[in-house]
Amino acid sequence: AQTVTQSQPEMSVQEAETVTLSCTYDTSESDYYLFWYKQPPSRQMILVIRQEAYKQQNATENRFSVNFQKAAKSFSLKISDSQLGDAAMYFCAYAGGSEKLVFGKGTKLTVNP
Amino acid sequence: NAGVMQNPRHLVRRRGQEARLRCSPMKGHSHVYWYRQLPEEGLKFMVYLQKENIIDESGMPKERFSAEFPKEGPSILRIQQVVRGDSAAYFCASSSLWGTGGQTREQYFGPGTRLTVT
Repeated sequence: AQTVTQSQPEMSVQEAETVTLSCTYDTSESDYYLFWYKQPPSRQMILVIRQEAYKQQNATENRFSVNFQKAAKSFSLKISDSQLGDAAMYFCAYAGGSEKLVFGKGTKLTVNP
Repeated sequence: NAGVMQNPRHLVRRRGQEARLRCSPMKGHSHVYWYRQLPEEGLKFMVYLQKENIIDESGMPKERFSAEFPKEGPSILRIQQVVRGDSAAYFCASSSLWGTGGQTREQYFGPGTRLTVT
């Protein structure tokens, strides 16, 4: 079975600085997708960024980018120019052949003014 | 384009009662997923449905839980004889495609239903 591990229960960053959230996963599949979701206090799950495993190029969405290391099964999220609105729980997720999403336990990000 | 709708947003039930959670997928989406989030935990997959079919229920507890997605109307997650351990946030997500070759498998989430069992 696939597993997703987020080793940082909590992280903090100063406003305007850069922070990196870690995620590792375990799978024997070759075709899969990886996602980062943001969950603010409203509890709404918001898709931040996705990466297809067959693509070598790292995905980027404005201030959010990933470092996808397929051989190492690592998928970290970098948030640049952090804003107060970035404060939330961040979940790394995996989707393979079974269609369902497998989530990590999350990282709580605090942004300090 | 309206997003995924879930109702109710909050539901309080006493032990032994039934809970019915509803989910209307995004327009044009025919795949629905249910996830449960316990306090301080990530989301855990429960069941994946298409119209009138249960595709994968590997995450559903064997007893008291059932789900359906009828031809017409919302998907329903039903919990019979609720216990305190059922207290959680239940999220529904929908997607439009299942396939290979670069097709996105993005799942769009509803706001969740927070179930409290007293």
